[in-house]
Amino acid sequence: AQRVTQPEKLLSVFKGAPVELKCNYSYSGSPELFWYVQYSRQRLQLLLRHISRESIKGFTADLNKGETSFHLKKPFAQEEDSAMYYCALHFSGGYNKLIFGAGTRLAVHP
Amino acid sequence: EPEVTQTPSHQVTQMGQEVILRCVPISNHLYFYWYRQILGQKVEFLVSFYNNEISEKSEIFDDQFSVERPDGSNFTLKIRSTKLEDSAMYFCASSGQGYNGYTFGSGTRLTVV
Repeated sequence: AQRVTQPEKLLSVFKGAPVELKCNYSYSGSPELFWYVQYSRQRLQLLLRHISRESIKGFTADLNKGETSFHLKKPFAQEEDSAMYYCALHFSGGYNKLIFGAGTRLAVHP
Repeated sequence: EPEVTQTPSHQVTQMGQEVILRCVPISNHLYFYWYRQILGQKVEFLVSFYNNEISEKSEIFDDQFSVERPDGSNFTLKIRSTKLEDSAMYFCASSGQGYNGYTFGSGTRLTVV
């Protein structure tokens, strides 16, 4: 069964500290993984997709098929990074359905 | 940048009443979706819609729910007889051909009292 696991509900760090938001997936096919961010009271926004291998707002994420992981990283957290972060698996067998993890709240303190 | 628009932003309704949540997807997108997020819980898939019909629906999407694209621009979610547990944030999303990620609307907060 397809599943996305984000083990941490809350990650609390100080400004300037490194951040790693964990995401593991379970999928028998070739995975397409995404990170979405939801700032307070705003819409879900696409942050990263593994296919493009880009860095957005200093965040990067590498797909590790051996460990079935897609962890989100940033070397120096900023207060404006505080938000909910959702890892999502694109399940193409179901007309582009996205399966979300439970989300991790990142709180960056001054 | 094109946006997915949802109205209303907040809807309060009495248990047993019908509600219609409205969405205007991005105009050249072909796939449309509804997701919901109960307070404090994960975002859950409800239904996907393609080529004027439902392509997939989750267990949550029972007979009380229906979707429609009545005029080629709006995409609506109807809940026939609301229950307290339908209280949630409902997100509409759309995507184009050659999936590159959804665009989500800002959501409708439904409160059933």
